[in-house]
This record gives sequence, C-alpha cells and structure tokens, in this order.
Amino acid sequence: DTGVSQDPRHKITKRGQNVTFRCDPISEHNRLYWYRQTLGQGPEFLTYFQNEAQLEKSRLLSDRFSAERPKGSFSTLEIQRTEQGDSAMYLCASSSEDRGLNSPLHFGNGTRLTVT
Amino acid sequence: DAKTTQPNSMESNEEEPVHLPCNHSTISGTDYIHWYRQLPSQGPEYVIHGLTSNVNNRMASLAIAEDRKSSTLILHRATLRDAAVYYCILRDRGATNKLIFGTGTLLAVQP
Repeated sequence: DTGVSQDPRHKITKRGQNVTFRCDPISEHNRLYWYRQTLGQGPEFLTYFQNEAQLEKSRLLSDRFSAERPKGSFSTLEIQRTEQGDSAMYLCASSSEDRGLNSPLHFGNGTRLTVT
Repeated sequence: DAKTTQPNSMESNEEEPVHLPCNHSTISGTDYIHWYRQLPSQGPEYVIHGLTSNVNNRMASLAIAEDRKSSTLILHRATLRDAAVYYCILRDRGATNKLIFGTGTLLAVQP
C-alpha cells in the first residue's frame, strides 16, 4: 500500500494561467474525492468519482474547474484562468466501496497552489 | 447534512490522557461518527469511527453517549506527534459517503 500520491506538491502560477494536478489513488480503490482547503478551515468537498464516472460536483466547482478520471485509475483536476481566490491546498482521497460507510478515506498530502 | 460542534482548541501535557469532545445533537439513527486528524502539512488521516457502541483501536478510543448526541475521542497517552487538528464528522449517508468537515479542534501537546 503506497498510499494516495499527489503531484505536484507545490505549484506557483500567475493569475490567468491554467494548472493541472494529478492524483494517484490506492490501486484497488474505486472511489475518489477531491477537496479544497484554505488556511484555518477544514477541507471542502469538490467532487466525487466512482470508477470513471463523476457522480457529484459541489457548487464550489465553478466552470473553470474540471476533473477527470479516465479508466477509473488516476485523476486530474484542472483549473483554467486561475484567480487569486483559487490559492489553496487541493486534497485527493480514495476509498473502497466494499464496506460503504465503514470504509475510511485515505488522503494524499495535497497540492498547494499559490496564484500570484 | 447533520452538523457537529467542537471546541476550537485544547491543550494537553505529554503522556497524559486527552478527551476531545464533540456535540452532534441533530444526529440521525443511521449516522456514523467518524474522527479524522490532520497533522501539519499533511492530508487528513482516519482515526476511528463508530455507530452506537464504544470503539477502541490502536490509535484511540471513541466513547459515544447513550443518546448519541455527543461523543468523545480519547487519546490515552498524548505524545508530541499527536499535535494536530481533530475533526469529528457525521458521514454522509448518500451515494458518495463523502466527509463534510467542520473546523475541528486544534490540539496542542506540551512537553
């Protein structure tokens, strides 16, 4: 079990640029979640995948945000035309479906985005 | 989503027990109580969860009130590495089973 890995760990970009983050979940996990966390706050849910299907998106996920999970393995989160308000830690988590509410989420250590 | 209420911060001394309280007065009969913690510069980490009975694992114990309107996470002997933000969460019963985080309790452990 290598855990959930996220790449890059840090990203600094200028306002208006596009950025893409990658998440590699634990290999046998079919559920994948993206969260965003700003300083002093708990993580906020962004979106959820079951296998390759994106089944839920938060209202926080504006049109500039898009997430994919081709083939139900790794996932990418892209932010287009970044704004300073997008500066945050972006967290990915995965879990297995077999135990439902008893399956814990395993989080990666996040990608910290700074928009200048 | 049902809400939880936790103190913003708590302090403990190393090697002493810590009791972290959580109120969830609007809990429904099938809501599971989950606890996660987040160490500095890391993603959240699962600690423990329960439904009605008290639960123990290698990390902590979870004591759930008989009416389930409150619970307490117990760290039996705090270490410096237990300094973290602790989140008490009622896990979503919908299709995604997502976690809805509050602001948690920041635990400081003094040597």
